[in-house]
Amino acid sequence: GESVGLHLPTLSVQEGDNSIINCAYSNSASDYFIWYKQESGKGPQFIIDIRSNMDKRQGQRVTVLLNKTVKHLSLQIAATQPGDSAVYFCAEILSGGSYIPTFGRGTSLIVHP
Amino acid sequence: DVKVTQSSRYLVKRTGEKVFLECVQDMDHENMFWYRQDPGLGLRLIYFSYDVKMKEKGDIPEGYSVSREKKERFSLILESASTNQTSMYLCASLDRGSQPQHFGDGTRLSIL
Repeated sequence: GESVGLHLPTLSVQEGDNSIINCAYSNSASDYFIWYKQESGKGPQFIIDIRSNMDKRQGQRVTVLLNKTVKHLSLQIAATQPGDSAVYFCAEILSGGSYIPTFGRGTSLIVHP
Repeated sequence: DVKVTQSSRYLVKRTGEKVFLECVQDMDHENMFWYRQDPGLGLRLIYFSYDVKMKEKGDIPEGYSVSREKKERFSLILESASTNQTSMYLCASLDRGSQPQHFGDGTRLSIL
């Protein structure tokens, strides 16, 4: 089946730095993408989403970029804080088909004070 | 806010036991899901349900069954637990025609 993968399994940054987490997706027909954050001992939580008719979407301290040409998704976290330490993973959805997401394996973000 | 509650955070069972994992959601969502999460493998779909008494196999249904007798409750059943079913189990719900899925905090199951 289709797969969603991440380039970096672990990312270590200093507090205050900007973080970039990447995701490659393989189904060019996917038209909706989600980033989740999973803190230790908790379930995944929705952070931000983007539809394929957009290439950028901003939230509070987070920005998602979508490059459909190379099937690449990234999550940018500005001024990273220790509370941002978690596993981040992306999900792709084909809205016109199954509504079930395909999840990436995740990147562990470690923020050093 | 949607609340998805998994009845146990940690569970230890023995090989061969019948194990029940319970999940309840409070937002009247039609769809509910069970995943297992293992290091390096991400989230893998075991079963899902799009309505009461309805169930569909996911990617890894072997060794599992599910029950959805009420809309708010979705149970995962390990008929005869084996050590390779030691994992983190996550339940999620989803409103029809809407995203994203909402997850519970997981049940960490150990089979000895």
